[in-house]
Amino acid sequence: AQRVTQPEKLLSVFKGAPVELKCNYSYSGSPELFWYVQYSRQRLQLLLRHISRESIKGFTADLNKGETSFHLKKPFAQEEDSAMYYCALSSILTGGGNKLTFGTGTQLKVEL
Amino acid sequence: DAGVIQSPRHEVTEMGQEVTLRCKPISGHNSLFWYRQTMMRGLELLIYFNNNVPIDDSGMPEDRFSAKMPNASFSTLKIQPSEPRDSAVYFCASSGGTAIYNSPLHFGNGTRLTVT
Repeated sequence: AQRVTQPEKLLSVFKGAPVELKCNYSYSGSPELFWYVQYSRQRLQLLLRHISRESIKGFTADLNKGETSFHLKKPFAQEEDSAMYYCALSSILTGGGNKLTFGTGTQLKVEL
Repeated sequence: DAGVIQSPRHEVTEMGQEVTLRCKPISGHNSLFWYRQTMMRGLELLIYFNNNVPIDDSGMPEDRFSAKMPNASFSTLKIQPSEPRDSAVYFCASSGGTAIYNSPLHFGNGTRLTVT
């Protein structure tokens, strides 16, 4: 069965400091991984997906199949990055389609 | 586009009462998901519909929970009878295709349920 682990419930950093939000996964198939973000009083929304190899708002995430990890990184944290971050794994459903399995989330707090 | 619309935003009810949560997906999206969010367990998938048909309901905690999607623009999640441990935020999400990496999930604002 698929599983996503985010070991940190809360991560507090100072503005300008590097950020790394950890995510590890367990899945027997070829993984499709995502990061979703929930800013205060806003909806959960897609931040980035590994297949796109994109950088969004300065964030990047590299899939490491050997370590089964998909950590989210940003070299210099900004105050507006404070939010709840969820790592998610897409798996194929036998009935068709995909579903997303989420980790428990990490609350990022950027302090001045 | 108003996005995924959920109602009510907040629901407070007493143990034993029936609770009905509602969701209107984005027009044209053919996949709909119900998630439950708690501090302890994060976001858990309860049930997934594709073209109004339930595909995977393995996440539904027990028989007290049921979900329907009578048409492409409306879904309900019902809890009967409700219990205090059902207190959580319930999210509805929709996507425009079966391949999630091409069609990311769009979430509603959620319904915060409190059962006393």
